[in-house]
Amino acid sequence: SQQGEEDPQALSIQEGENATMNCSYKTSINNLQWYRQNSGRGLVHLILIRSNEREKHSGRLRVTLDTSKKSSSLLITASRAADTASYFCATDPHTDKLIFGTGTRLQVFP
Amino acid sequence: DAGVIQSPRHEVTEMGQEVTLRCKPISGHDYLFWYRQTMMRGLELLIYFNNNVPIDDSGMPEDRFSAKMPNASFSTLKIQPSEPRDSAVYFCATARRSWETQYFGPGTRLLVL
Repeated sequence: SQQGEEDPQALSIQEGENATMNCSYKTSINNLQWYRQNSGRGLVHLILIRSNEREKHSGRLRVTLDTSKKSSSLLITASRAADTASYFCATDPHTDKLIFGTGTRLQVFP
Repeated sequence: DAGVIQSPRHEVTEMGQEVTLRCKPISGHDYLFWYRQTMMRGLELLIYFNNNVPIDDSGMPEDRFSAKMPNASFSTLKIQPSEPRDSAVYFCATARRSWETQYFGPGTRLLVL
């Protein structure tokens, strides 16, 4: 079964608005990562947050992690059309493998 | 660095044919992962290697699938014989450490007719 599941499955917003995506997982983890996938491309790493961290920023990205609720959120501020992509969370549940979630498809309209 | 290199980028073949997908990892990355992505099943880990040794192949769907990593610079994923349900995008990804950032190749889009 999937370790991570993103919510919502799809999100449509206007340029300039903020986009929030959530990820829930099932077991304890070492870290959680977020990746972006543009249509027809491979996944690209965005940010990694460790289990002892609660919040992390990278440019217009803000990630939070709540290990008590086994959940994470990715906030993209001031979205742009170029942010249109699918976003995946990936967890490292104390194994060598990353377990990817089902993804959120984000559409940003100009 | 050129990043992870995969070939071919697109492959169209007929059912029953052998398909070989290739991956050149980023130099210095000890871990190599093969994934398959479909609309129905999402991103699935098929197999991964550490220092050229297969560690976990529990995701390989059937005996028709095999993967090798003869050296640190090259890996192959072979499907023999191919079936229409193997149609998917196959990604190779590499990492320095298993828990760190994975770098994905552009993928091979496979269509089995």
